[in-house]
Amino acid sequence: QVQLQESGPGLVKPSETLSLTCTVSGDSVSSVSYYWSWIRQPPGEELEWIGHIYVSGTTNYNPSLKSRVTISLDTSENQFFLNLTSVTAADTAVYYCAVKPFIGSYYDGWFDPWGQGTLVTVSS
Amino acid sequence: QSVLTQPPSVSGAPGQRVTISCTGSSSNIGAGHDVHWYQHLPGTAPKLLIHGNSNRPSGVPDRFSGSKSDTSASLAITGLQAEDEANYYCQSYDSSLSHWVFGGGTKLTVL
Repeated sequence: QVQLQESGPGLVKPSETLSLTCTVSGDSVSSVSYYWSWIRQPPGEELEWIGHIYVSGTTNYNPSLKSRVTISLDTSENQFFLNLTSVTAADTAVYYCAVKPFIGSYYDGWFDPWGQGTLVTVSS
Repeated sequence: QSVLTQPPSVSGAPGQRVTISCTGSSSNIGAGHDVHWYQHLPGTAPKLLIHGNSNRPSGVPDRFSGSKSDTSASLAITGLQAEDEANYYCQSYDSSLSHWVFGGGTKLTVL
């Protein structure tokens, strides 16, 4: 059973880069069975899909964030990463890493499991 | 304004049945994309309850069921228990936006 744990700074200054790590246990980020995903939830707002990466290195990003987002993975450390540049207060959110199974229709996938999330606040 | 609309809150007494609606449009649920449901307690990892409109992962009690029709979907919870008090989210894919989308969430209160 895959387990995920997010880590990273809880406070980032405006205009800087938000960098988070998701450490995977129970399976390998080299697995062909999953898309490794990031999702966030600003306070009082809905969940927002940020993007995902497949073991091949193929990525897919939310068009609204695409110009600022990079997702990568490190097979040797069994981790994947989120970088979000030029952050503002609007990027304050709980950030989750999650798994989208590589089964059935690509577009009809779900997210399971999720990490417990990490709060990132953008403030000077 | 959420792409998938859910009621902000629902409530019910222990043992009762409640339903949570998820209303979309012709670019997501109405386009035939599957709907999935999650249970979330703040500070914990969201938990998958229903995938593919009506399928329960192993370990999810059969008190939870999902359905989909036209541009909307529903999550039904029967035999309400105190432990069901949580936030519930629906999720689908939107072809116009080209990404996966979530509902605004529904807070379930067990009276």
